[in-house]
Amino acid sequence: AQSVTQLGSHVSVSEGALVLLRCNYSSSVPPYLFWYVQYPNQGLQLLLKYTTGATLVKGINGFEAEFKKSETSFHLTKPSAHMSDAAEYFCAVSIQGAQKLVFGQGTRLTINP
Amino acid sequence: DGGITQSPKYLFRKEGQNVTLSCEQNLNHDAMYWYRQDPGQGLRLIYYSQIVNDFQKGDIAEGYSVSREKKESFPLTVTSAQKNPTAFYLCASSAAGSYEQYFGPGTRLTVT
Repeated sequence: AQSVTQLGSHVSVSEGALVLLRCNYSSSVPPYLFWYVQYPNQGLQLLLKYTTGATLVKGINGFEAEFKKSETSFHLTKPSAHMSDAAEYFCAVSIQGAQKLVFGQGTRLTINP
Repeated sequence: DGGITQSPKYLFRKEGQNVTLSCEQNLNHDAMYWYRQDPGQGLRLIYYSQIVNDFQKGDIAEGYSVSREKKESFPLTVTSAQKNPTAFYLCASSAAGSYEQYFGPGTRLTVT
């Protein structure tokens, strides 16, 4: 069965520092992978997605993620954190045979001035 | 503007009462989903529907019911059988054959 593990429920970085949010997945078939962002008391917004093709995927707000099949990972990065990046981030993987996603537990990103 | 609307934003109910949460989309999406979000637990799927007049249970369907009489609408009823209904509820939709989901703004339900 497909599953997602996000390492670190809380990540704190300084403004201008590298952001790295980790996501590992389990899937017996080539997955579709997603990163969503959620601001307080709001819905989720798609940051980026991997379906097929290029393994380095660029998204909105300067974020990118790399699909590494050998490591079953899809880590999210941003070279320089901005205060507005403070939010909760969710990684998700497609479920084979059903039009569904399974979500990780989420990582809350805090940006220190 | 196309999107998903959920109403109301905040909802308060007394224990023992059923309550219905609204979800409407004008994206012409075939599939719709209901999730429950609790702190530290991510999103858990309650019900989903891939086509009008059809829906399937998700991982935590007990104490909830849904209907899908129209393509645009997928209301969720939280029944009195749901033991811990206080949570943030999110509705989402996706196009036919797509895994990419679009989310509404959510409804925060508080039951006392």
